[in-house]
Amino acid sequence: QVQLVQSGAEVKKPGASVKVSCKASGYTFTSYDINWVRQATGQGLEWMGWMNPNSGNTGYAQKFQGRVTMTRNTSISTAYMELSSLRSEDTAVYYCARGRVVVGTGFNWYFDLWGRGTLVTVSS
Amino acid sequence: QSVLTQPPSASGTPGQRVTISCSGSSSNIGSNTVNWYQQLPGTAPKLLIYSNNQRPSGVPDRFSGSKSGTSASLAISGLQSEDEADYYCAAWDDSLHVVFGGGTKLTVL
Repeated sequence: QVQLVQSGAEVKKPGASVKVSCKASGYTFTSYDINWVRQATGQGLEWMGWMNPNSGNTGYAQKFQGRVTMTRNTSISTAYMELSSLRSEDTAVYYCARGRVVVGTGFNWYFDLWGRGTLVTVSS
Repeated sequence: QSVLTQPPSASGTPGQRVTISCSGSSSNIGSNTVNWYQQLPGTAPKLLIYSNNQRPSGVPDRFSGSKSGTSASLAISGLQSEDEADYYCAAWDDSLHVVFGGGTKLTVL
């Protein structure tokens, strides 16, 4: 079935990096952007950026510029999000989500398929 | 501090109609379309409404969305216990990023 399957939970020390994977199945991986959204415990959703699996083009939220890298391996339909220089405030559940973009009366960018999330804990 | 403003909580009794508001600005809701996500406890968000008022396949017609100017609303009619969840509005912002509301926790009394 159509789904995004994410890698398991991670525990990292401050200053380290983490790489989360997101494997797509049930649809053509290269036909839709992959976005990453995170959610700290008890908090709201925060968009981190997007990647086009076909071209490899990316766009990152300003807050994460310089610390986040989104890549892909099209041969295994998998997207990756790597976040470096981790700090305690990065402790959160990280979601990958399939993006849809519609340009009409205004710009619409929405997420119609989500992974289950990957908990990343940053602790010394 | 979220870019889009939602009330932190809302409540209603079974069968009632509830609305959740979402306020933004000219650079996001005012010029682009609004989407709503439902997050049931302990699960990933799910697309509920897209393009202001469109429901994905499988979403009951009890859920409806609207937009006016720089604000949007989500309405849930015939409230059911399984509607108890967090609801988030979101939109593209012309400063080149997606913005979310802080979320509204809906309690079914």
